[in-house]
Amino acid sequence: EAGVAQSPRYKIIEKRQSVAFWCNPISGHATLYWYQQILGQGPKLLIQFQNNGVVDDSQLPKDRFSAERLKGVDSTLKIQPAKLEDSAVYLCASSLTSGGNIQYFGAGTRLSVL
Amino acid sequence: RKEVEQDPGPFNVPEGATVAFNCTYSNSASQSFFWYRQDCRKEPKLLMSVYSSGNEDGRFTAQLNRASQYISLLIRDSKLSDSATYLCVVNGKAGTALIFGKGTTLSVSS
Repeated sequence: EAGVAQSPRYKIIEKRQSVAFWCNPISGHATLYWYQQILGQGPKLLIQFQNNGVVDDSQLPKDRFSAERLKGVDSTLKIQPAKLEDSAVYLCASSLTSGGNIQYFGAGTRLSVL
Repeated sequence: RKEVEQDPGPFNVPEGATVAFNCTYSNSASQSFFWYRQDCRKEPKLLMSVYSSGNEDGRFTAQLNRASQYISLLIRDSKLSDSATYLCVVNGKAGTALIFGKGTTLSVSS
């Protein structure tokens, strides 16, 4: 079974530029999550989708971050404009259902904002 | 109080040692509990779920105390390959995503 796919693996940008990350969850997984993991911290939820609807985006900095999952499968996360403090690993995860079901993570995108 | 708190670490132990990690959570309504393992520059991977009755998987034993809102992970006979960061994870409330602790780093040396 294929795992969660993410791209790109690495991205280096300058502050105030924009960047987008892509995620393809495990086939059949209805719930998709985007997490931000800053060095030395645990992953922090940014947004959760159930199919193509948003379940929780309370911790998403909506002035600069946006995410979509138009057809209930792939998802993109965008940052515009990026700030230095956005340097982190952005992890996508998926699960069959929400509410504590086991989540499977992609390899992540490591973002460096200079 | 942080939602999930873990021992700060790092833990440096020799091969064969027994090591225990502790974790507390603040939301008494939490329903699901897990330990994830994260290797350096890799994604988190599920190590084991934690059940109220306690559960064991080989050298790993997890315990849950709902009254104290406390979770533990015991690793017996540590191997070099156990070196990683161990993340304590709880379900915040029904229908929402998991909440991760900062993680505890374990380094096993020969």
